[in-house]
Amino acid sequence: GAVVSQHPSWVICKSGTSVKIECRSLDFQATTMFWYRQFPKQSLMLMATSNEGSKATYEQGVEKDKFLINHASLTLSTLTVTSAHPEDSSFYICSASGWTGGNTDTQYFGPGTRLTVL
Amino acid sequence: DAKTTQPPSMDCAEGRAANLPCNHSTISGNEYVYWYRQIHSQGPQYIIHGLKNNETNEMASLIITEDRKSSTLILPHATLRDTAVYYCIVRVVNSGYALNFGKGTSLLVTP
Repeated sequence: GAVVSQHPSWVICKSGTSVKIECRSLDFQATTMFWYRQFPKQSLMLMATSNEGSKATYEQGVEKDKFLINHASLTLSTLTVTSAHPEDSSFYICSASGWTGGNTDTQYFGPGTRLTVL
Repeated sequence: DAKTTQPPSMDCAEGRAANLPCNHSTISGNEYVYWYRQIHSQGPQYIIHGLKNNETNEMASLIITEDRKSSTLILPHATLRDTAVYYCIVRVVNSGYALNFGKGTSLLVTP
């Protein structure tokens, strides 16, 4: 299957600092990338959808000025958590959607980034 | 996207087939059934998807009923590494829409 990477896999930061998470599709071009977050014992919740070269579309309740998404190329999207606070501690997961063979698009997920804000 | 219903948890003995059911009675004609799984502290892994025909790949088989209102994911010979949360998701293909994750089925494979 197609491979999506995320970096870093985990990060610990102080309250008030900003953290950038990278998501890359390694062997296919992603027409769309998605960012999710997952709190303990809960399911994945969609944060935003981004298409290359366009502004991201955020889900209701997600602050676009706090969670900055840049999708500069068909293989790279970044999520920056600005002025992080302890309540932002979570598991952040990206996914990339594209054609990897066949006639249907499929979403492939990165391994996730564990963010802990002290 | 249509809503899906899955049992919250299931057990399966190692080496036996694991049959995970999913109900999607309001599925539309242009919606596919997707299955993903998430092993603890990892990103979801794509397993298989289908429209109306049964599908098989190296990981699993997907059986969709003729009326498309339900489906079953079959892991033919479950191993301990198949212990994970399995998500059945219905989605319009090629729509550009994200996957909406429900609560899934927590499958425990026991020795």
